[in-house]
Amino acid sequence: ETGVTQSPTHLIKTRGQQVTLRCSSQSGHNTVSWYQQALGQGPQFIFQYYREEENGRGNFPPRFSGLQFPNYSSELNVNALELDDSALYLCASSLDRLGLDEQYFGPGTRLTVT
Amino acid sequence: DQQVKQNSPSLSVQEGRISILNCDYTNSMFDYFLWYKKYPAEGPTFLISISSIKDKNEDGRFTVFLNKSAKHLSLHIVPSQPGDSAVYFCAASRYGQNFVFGPGTRLSVLP
Repeated sequence: ETGVTQSPTHLIKTRGQQVTLRCSSQSGHNTVSWYQQALGQGPQFIFQYYREEENGRGNFPPRFSGLQFPNYSSELNVNALELDDSALYLCASSLDRLGLDEQYFGPGTRLTVT
Repeated sequence: DQQVKQNSPSLSVQEGRISILNCDYTNSMFDYFLWYKKYPAEGPTFLISISSIKDKNEDGRFTVFLNKSAKHLSLHIVPSQPGDSAVYFCAASRYGQNFVFGPGTRLSVLP
């Protein structure tokens, strides 16, 4: 059973560019959540996907968008990057969209915007 | 506006003693709470959870206490071990959705 994987590990982008981050869920998990963790803070919920549909969204602007594929892997897209988007981006998969089941986190993608 | 607060950024405890990590929340609608542990360069890993219908949940060395009237929860680790040294996050939700995380407490267990 493979765990949650994310790619790339690190990424450097310039302000105004667009970025796509990828996440492979743990085998059998149909729910993926994305979080942004700024330095010295806890993870902040961006959105959740359940069976390819968005199933909840945090307080993030529309330039943060996502996709979930039939194999339940997922992408996070961020357009018009801003300096404040520099953070660790975590995805977490679970068996249950209600989140009452344990969420398994990937190691994260560290994004730096210059 | 921080809905979940962990007011101690760091905590040091001697090996074998009790570690107590605290968490306060402001939203009385939260009904499900979790604790996660995070090592450097790894994602958070689930430790223990508690729903608002309980005031205590135990799992081995880890016990979580919930005081709804005070909007406070705490994680007790007994006995503390050097491998417990990590950043601990508490998280709260309503109906298990849209989890709100605290800023974390870095625990150091000294041998």
